[in-house]
Amino acid sequence: AQKVTQAQTEISVVEKEDVTLDCVYETRDTTYYLFWYKQPPSGELVFLIRRNSFDEQNEISGRYSWNFQKSTSSFNFTITASQVVDSAVYFCALSEAYGGKLIFGQGTELSVKP
Amino acid sequence: EAQVTQNPRYLITVTGKKLTVTCSQNMNHEYMSWYRQDPGLGLRQIYYSMNVEVTDKGDVPEGYKVSRKEKRNFPLILESPSPNQTSLYFCASAYLFSYEQYFGPGTRLTVT
Repeated sequence: AQKVTQAQTEISVVEKEDVTLDCVYETRDTTYYLFWYKQPPSGELVFLIRRNSFDEQNEISGRYSWNFQKSTSSFNFTITASQVVDSAVYFCALSEAYGGKLIFGQGTELSVKP
Repeated sequence: EAQVTQNPRYLITVTGKKLTVTCSQNMNHEYMSWYRQDPGLGLRQIYYSMNVEVTDKGDVPEGYKVSRKEKRNFPLILESPSPNQTSLYFCASAYLFSYEQYFGPGTRLTVT
């Protein structure tokens, strides 16, 4: 069965600290897609990144970076020099090869204090 | 502007009173889906549709109905809402097999 686990329920940091959000997934598919979404206090879901199972190259976008490791079934998300505006709930998700259903983790609530 | 819209955004209702949450997208997407979000559980799929007149159950379909009579619309129907359906609901759409889903703004439903 497919599953996504975000073991960190809540994380609290002080502004400018680096923070890593962990995501571990389980799937029997050889082809799959991994996602990160941000849910700010306003409630909408904001798409951050998609990676496919064939591409383990790490990605950096500004202060955000993602570390995909198939060997450990992990897709971790790091925010460098965190800011108060990064405070949100972050979801990791997995999609089956043919698209469609997203399987979400439980979410990690990040609080960045000034 | 490409978007997924949901109405209403907030709804407080009583047990047993039928309600419909509408979802509409203007991107000509074949795939549409409903999720519910509950604390500690993340988002779980309720129903999905691959195209007009084609719908199927997700992981938590009990107590919900859907229909897909038009490509752009995918309403979620609660025929007899119960308090355990109090949740935040998201509609999503995508091109078939595109892997990138567009989410609506969410509907916060409270059933008393």
